Amino acid sequence: KAGVTQTPRYLIKTRGQQVTLSCSPISGHRSVSWYQQTPGQGLQFLFEYFSETQRNKGNFPGRFSGRQFSNSRSEMNVSTLELGDSALYLCASTRAGDRSAGELFFGEGSRLTVL
Amino acid sequence: AQSVTQLGSHVSVSEGALVLLRCNYSSSVPPYLFWYVQYPNQGLQLLLKYTTGATLVKGINGFEAEFKKSETSFHLTKPSAHMSDAAEYFCAVSEVLTGGGNKLTFGTGTQLKVEL
Repeated sequence: KAGVTQTPRYLIKTRGQQVTLSCSPISGHRSVSWYQQTPGQGLQFLFEYFSETQRNKGNFPGRFSGRQFSNSRSEMNVSTLELGDSALYLCASTRAGDRSAGELFFGEGSRLTVL
Repeated sequence: AQSVTQLGSHVSVSEGALVLLRCNYSSSVPPYLFWYVQYPNQGLQLLLKYTTGATLVKGINGFEAEFKKSETSFHLTKPSAHMSDAAEYFCAVSEVLTGGGNKLTFGTGTQLKVEL
């Protein structure tokens, strides 16, 4: 069974630009979550999607957005990039339905560098 | 809200020695607890999880953890460290969200170094 696939793995942008990251979950997983990992703040929850709907959102500004498609694939977008947005962005998928679905399966991440 | 505290941002052990990584949690409900490992430039890989039942949980690569409710702890151990265990380890607690679904709240991580 293929794991969670994230693209691109690495990218460099400049301040003010926008970026879109893609995530394909494990087949059969309907919930997709996004996390930001930085040395200073650690792993922080961005948002979670289920059945094309954003169910939950972390404490991030509106520049951070996402969506989920009918095949459960998800994208996240960051607009008007700032230097502080440099991070590893991790996507995770899980079966949805019960609390044990708290077990998340992570992709390898997209490392964004903002210059 | 749930929270996780990992004591020691860096731990160094000799190859063959016991590995002990500490994790304490705060949760208003019975917790679901996880340990993840992250190798350089990679995502997070699940080592083990505690949901209900047996409090001693065995995971991959010889790791295990014991859930102690009285101490609100979920420490990770391995009897004999191997060079390949060098990585960053994260303890996490699962939180049910108001919109449905779950999120993981992570500790700040412990970097494990294994020396010859």
